[in-house]
Amino acid sequence: GAVVSQHPSRVICKSGTSVKIECRSLDFQATTMFWYRQFPKQSLMLMATSNEGSKATYEQGVEKDKFLINHASLTLSTLTVTSAHPEDSSFYICSAEPGGGRETQYFGPGTRLLVL
Amino acid sequence: QQPVQSPQAVILREGEDAVINCSSSKALYSVHWYRQKHGEAPVFLMILLKGGEQKGHEKISASFNEKKQQSSLYLTASQLSYSGTYFCGTEDTGNQFYFGTGTSLTVIP
Repeated sequence: GAVVSQHPSRVICKSGTSVKIECRSLDFQATTMFWYRQFPKQSLMLMATSNEGSKATYEQGVEKDKFLINHASLTLSTLTVTSAHPEDSSFYICSAEPGGGRETQYFGPGTRLLVL
Repeated sequence: QQPVQSPQAVILREGEDAVINCSSSKALYSVHWYRQKHGEAPVFLMILLKGGEQKGHEKISASFNEKKQQSSLYLTASQLSYSGTYFCGTEDTGNQFYFGTGTSLTVIP
């Protein structure tokens, strides 16, 4: 089956630093990858849609200058949380689609970010 | 815009059945269902693309009523492994995708 990995799985950082999270599709090519954020006991919220070779599409209310997304290849998308603050502490999850439509999404295991 | 799920939480004994509902205020193109265990990423269960479509495998199935903009997930003869939070995900005809509010399901022996 399709496998998506995320790295790191957990990260603790100081306020004001930047954190990069990688999302990789291991056995398929993903034209589109999605980034989600989930706060404790809440639903997942789509942050942005990442398309290989083009700029990411951000959902309303998500600061594109704070959450930098790069989708440099068909198997790798990165999310960089710049100048992280405690309120950015959350569970970040990526997903990837093998095809062009939203037929099936394969989720990464998630990255738990704690900003002190 | 976020689909509303009901119930918010349910506790079942092994072997009992459950129904989880997902309702949207928008016209839908598709409905997805996911299960998330605590501390883990969601796992895709199934997608329903057509109005009135019903899908399932083994003891978990779902229906999609396009006219009512609703979907229901059916769990029959529940097992302990079914415990988790279930989310629907809806894609509307404007290509916007939202996860539902979630339903916590606990199966006890």
